[in-house]
Amino acid sequence: EVQLVESGGGLVQPGRSMKLSCAASGFTFSNYGMAWVRQAPTKGLEWVATISYDGSSTYYRDSVKGRFTISRDNAKSTLYLQMNSLRSEDTATYYCTRRYVYYGLGVMDAWGQGASVTVSS
Amino acid sequence: EIVLTQSPTTMAASPGEKVTLNCLASSSVSYMNWYQQKSGASPKLWIYGTSNLASGVPNRFSGSGSGTSYSLTISSMEAEDVATYYCLQLSSYPNTFGAGTKLELK
Repeated sequence: EVQLVESGGGLVQPGRSMKLSCAASGFTFSNYGMAWVRQAPTKGLEWVATISYDGSSTYYRDSVKGRFTISRDNAKSTLYLQMNSLRSEDTATYYCTRRYVYYGLGVMDAWGQGASVTVSS
Repeated sequence: EIVLTQSPTTMAASPGEKVTLNCLASSSVSYMNWYQQKSGASPKLWIYGTSNLASGVPNRFSGSGSGTSYSLTISSMEAEDVATYYCLQLSSYPNTFGAGTKLELK
């Protein structure tokens, strides 16, 4: 069974840093791209960042570019999101998702339970 | 950035009623994915590649569309279909979601 388990969320002051982790199991982690998607309280889903299966390519939404870093450790089957210079608008539940291409079609199929990040003084 | 506009924002359907949810893209995309999210839960992949049902999705659901116009249809509404449905384009970066359609039971 595919499982994605996020950790590392909590309350953080504006301007500070936080690192999220996502432990993957039930599949060969190194074969898949991965992504982070967030959802602010009572709001919709918002794509944050994507990393290729080997970590050689990364993509970010403009609002987090230069502040967030997505990375992975294939030996540990773990995905990370380093978040620096946090702002109140980064307050959200952050989901880890598995991303792959199926016959030319991109898919985000498996999702974690989410990690809650609250940026407040 | 490709903006996805979903309509309606909210709708209520009676059991057995046919339901159509729409997703309009600001530029042409190759395909569309749809997600179902129930209150307090993580999103679930529902339809991928415009018309392919994810594993476990009832066959009363279907997806269609091309270019800038896509839709998700429920042939006969059931109580368990109450949820918010989001469309997602992965054709280009930044990947973008629609704002969602909240489907309620009448």
